[in-house]
Amino acid sequence: DTGVSQDPRHKITKRGQNVTFRCDPISEHNRLYWYRQTLGQGPEFLTYFQNEAQLEKSRLLSDRFSAERPKGSFSTLEIQRTEQGDSAMYLCASSLGLAGELFFGEGSRLTVL
Amino acid sequence: KQEVTQIPAALSVPEGENLVLNCSFTDSAIYNLQWFRQDPGKGLTSLLLIQSSQREQTSGRLNASLDKSSGRSTLYIAASQPGDSATYLCAVQAGGTSYGKLTFGQGTILTVHP
Repeated sequence: DTGVSQDPRHKITKRGQNVTFRCDPISEHNRLYWYRQTLGQGPEFLTYFQNEAQLEKSRLLSDRFSAERPKGSFSTLEIQRTEQGDSAMYLCASSLGLAGELFFGEGSRLTVL
Repeated sequence: KQEVTQIPAALSVPEGENLVLNCSFTDSAIYNLQWFRQDPGKGLTSLLLIQSSQREQTSGRLNASLDKSSGRSTLYIAASQPGDSATYLCAVQAGGTSYGKLTFGQGTILTVHP
């Protein structure tokens, strides 16, 4: 696999449920990023990891959101007690080293009813 | 706080035209600038990466320039084709204490008519 993969591609859930998204980065990339994109807007930064360490979190990432990257490989983004405002495309990207080119996955689209 | 602005918000041109998309950013302390393409409902595809020490990058019909001191970048598309229709996003990678994080503009929606 030469690209970033995300799963699931689409998720429809009811308000109040928990959802989890997975991202598998390009294998040699040590940095992994999560972004959120709503319709007609550019992606907004949520958080990023260097290896297994979470180095920065946006204020957009409320306490209902948690991200992990165990062993510096794949990452998960969990949203607890989903709200309709969480409906968006969740994008994962990876890069190698500082100032490396970012490569994005196809995204996971969340719809909260 | 870094802010990125893209002009125009939308552009419609006939096939074959050369066109320019503009991107401006408020904080010149950047590591690099990256242009992306996004098709509807899809992820982002990287087009060009310009390091802060570079002035331009070229790939096929695409040429991107960077003027870091004035906080501007342009993406030039030569001989546009209907397949170029997509949203084009500009993003700057932060320096300083927030190194690594990309800040995006809202994008330019490009439509190329046959």
